[in-house]
Amino acid sequence: NAGVTQTPKFQVLKTGQSMTLQCAQDMNHNSMYWYRQDPGMGLRLIYYSASEGTTDKGEVPNGYNVSRLNKREFSLRLESAAPSQTSVYFCASSKQEPPYEQYFGPGTRLTVT
Amino acid sequence: AQSVTQLDSQVPVFEEAPVELRCNYSSSVSVYLFWYVQYPNQGLQLLLKYLSGSTLVKGINGFEAEFNKSQTSFHLRKPSVHISDTAEYFCAVSDPNDYKLSFGAGTTVTVRA
Repeated sequence: NAGVTQTPKFQVLKTGQSMTLQCAQDMNHNSMYWYRQDPGMGLRLIYYSASEGTTDKGEVPNGYNVSRLNKREFSLRLESAAPSQTSVYFCASSKQEPPYEQYFGPGTRLTVT
Repeated sequence: AQSVTQLDSQVPVFEEAPVELRCNYSSSVSVYLFWYVQYPNQGLQLLLKYLSGSTLVKGINGFEAEFNKSQTSFHLRKPSVHISDTAEYFCAVSDPNDYKLSFGAGTTVTVRA
């Protein structure tokens, strides 16, 4: 039981390049989330997916797209990376019933130069 | 959506001393409350949670938190910290009508010998 896994762990991109961050969970959770973490700003929600086939914007969705490929997998895509997207990205999942406790992956550290 | 305020961004503390991390949230409606811990270069893991019942909640690694409904607070305490408690701590809140969590900005605890 691996919980929530994320790939890659580290990535360096040049401005304008694209990439996809992968996330998978094996807990049969309906809901999945993408956050970014920046110093002094805590966790900010980028996109979330309440269930397979649905996605919604969070607090900071600009410059990102997501795909809920199936119940297990939720990917985050940067189409044209910008230095402002340098951050640590976390994927999380939860049941869609109270208390909505979230389980987090280990994170992807992304640097855009 | 709930608003979560962690009143201290940085808390330096000596080994074996007590520590208290303060968390206040915006609404007095029924909520679920969580504390997560993030060790350096790792993802977030659940430290403890309050769902209902006793207002004093015990978690892992000797941490406990007290729910105070009238003050809308959920402060985290440990009577005697170790060097290994050096980490960032996040308070989070959900309510029965919204499965997404609202996170505080985090408190960095640095334990010194």
